[in-house]
Amino acid sequence: QLQLQESGPGLVKPSETLSLTCTVSAGSISSSNSYWGWIRQPPGQGLEWVGSIYYSGSSYYNPSLKSRVTISVDTSKNQFSLKLNSVTAADTAVYYCARHGTSGWYDGFDYWGRGTLVTVSS
Amino acid sequence: EIVLTQSPGTLSLSPGERVTLSCRASQSVSSNYLAWYQQKPGQAPRLLIYDASSRAAGIPDRFSGSGSGTDFSLTISRLEPEDSAVFYCQHYGGSVLTFGPGTTVDIK
Repeated sequence: QLQLQESGPGLVKPSETLSLTCTVSAGSISSSNSYWGWIRQPPGQGLEWVGSIYYSGSSYYNPSLKSRVTISVDTSKNQFSLKLNSVTAADTAVYYCARHGTSGWYDGFDYWGRGTLVTVSS
Repeated sequence: EIVLTQSPGTLSLSPGERVTLSCRASQSVSSNYLAWYQQKPGQAPRLLIYDASSRAAGIPDRFSGSGSGTDFSLTISRLEPEDSAVFYCQHYGGSVLTFGPGTTVDIK
């Protein structure tokens, strides 16, 4: 069973960069048609797609965050990462990594990490 | 960008009842690229339905999805206590992936 695990600091200061990594196990991040995404959820609120990346490196971002977001992939480590710069309190959220289903971009997210809470505060 | 609206916002129901949740899109969803998720407190969302009506692996057949164009629905035929959760619809396949605001289902 594919597993995803988020890791990274739980506390980030305003104006700094949030950095998270998602480690994929029991499966290859380089499988054909594999897309991987980041979704966030502010406390008590709904889900927001942050962005996604194809295993070859092509990335896609939510326009509302595009100027601040970078998603990258490291196939040698079976990991993909999220960087969000110039963070504010509005970026406080649980961040989930997830896999797009077997139809890739044309599929829902079928495997999710447990999520990690990132708080932006001085 | 397709905006998704879900209704109702909250439901309180009894075990054994049947419920239908609605998801309306601001423009037609191509190829019915619409998914439904269930999220329980403290847990990650779980994929229930993809392509508007296909059940994901391991999902009981009391969950069913239907719809096309701009109007979609998720039906739970016989509610069980463990179905208490927030249910989200999601559009995929476009340049921007979007989620609806969610419907909370509370099983009394």
